[in-house]
Amino acid sequence: DSGVTQTPKHLITATGQRVTLRCSPRSGDLSVYWYQQSLDQGLQFLIQYYNGEERAKGNILERFSAQQFPDLHSELNLSSLELGDSALYFCASSVASVPLYEQYFGPGTRLTVT
Amino acid sequence: AQTVTQSQPEMSVQEAETVTLSCTYDTSESDYYLFWYKQPPSRQMILVIRQEAYKQQNATENRFSVNFQKAAKSFSLKISDSQLGDAAMYFCAYRGTSGTYKYIFGTGTRLKVLA
Repeated sequence: DSGVTQTPKHLITATGQRVTLRCSPRSGDLSVYWYQQSLDQGLQFLIQYYNGEERAKGNILERFSAQQFPDLHSELNLSSLELGDSALYFCASSVASVPLYEQYFGPGTRLTVT
Repeated sequence: AQTVTQSQPEMSVQEAETVTLSCTYDTSESDYYLFWYKQPPSRQMILVIRQEAYKQQNATENRFSVNFQKAAKSFSLKISDSQLGDAAMYFCAYRGTSGTYKYIFGTGTRLKVLA
């Protein structure tokens, strides 16, 4: 158990809908990263937050957005969902936004868009 | 931009034997970190081993070791005395020391362990 929690574990929804994925980082971690893993692919970086502020964006679609709240949990919002958005979404956290510190991954949320 | 390449989509190894998974990367940075992650059927991402680029000594963790060739930009993972529980997807990942510190992952190698 990495100490990072993600809810829900599974989510099934229809095209055009909007969903919210939630992540709670390890206690004491200030930085949160979101990744997308499509079927049998590597993880693609979406976005990073550090202590409530957006730090960097990766391959994140305009239909997707995220935020990190004062209690440091983070939410990833996916809207106008398409079939191609079906994937495993991982959240990872680290102590600080420096490369020395490893990222610890949550168990992921599996999103299925039908 | 940095890239990570894993050229072996799938590998097989007999139980108790040794297997080496390949990874190459491209970067213009001189300082960075490299990782191997294991993803079993549960889909949890588990850190296997990490290597700091400034360290010449290859990292080892029990049955897992790496062969880090900085000039060749190669970072292979050797698994000794393979066990059935080693069966998983293995991802090589790169993390730079400037910018976002995001991970850049390879596409993975599926390792099968044969009894």
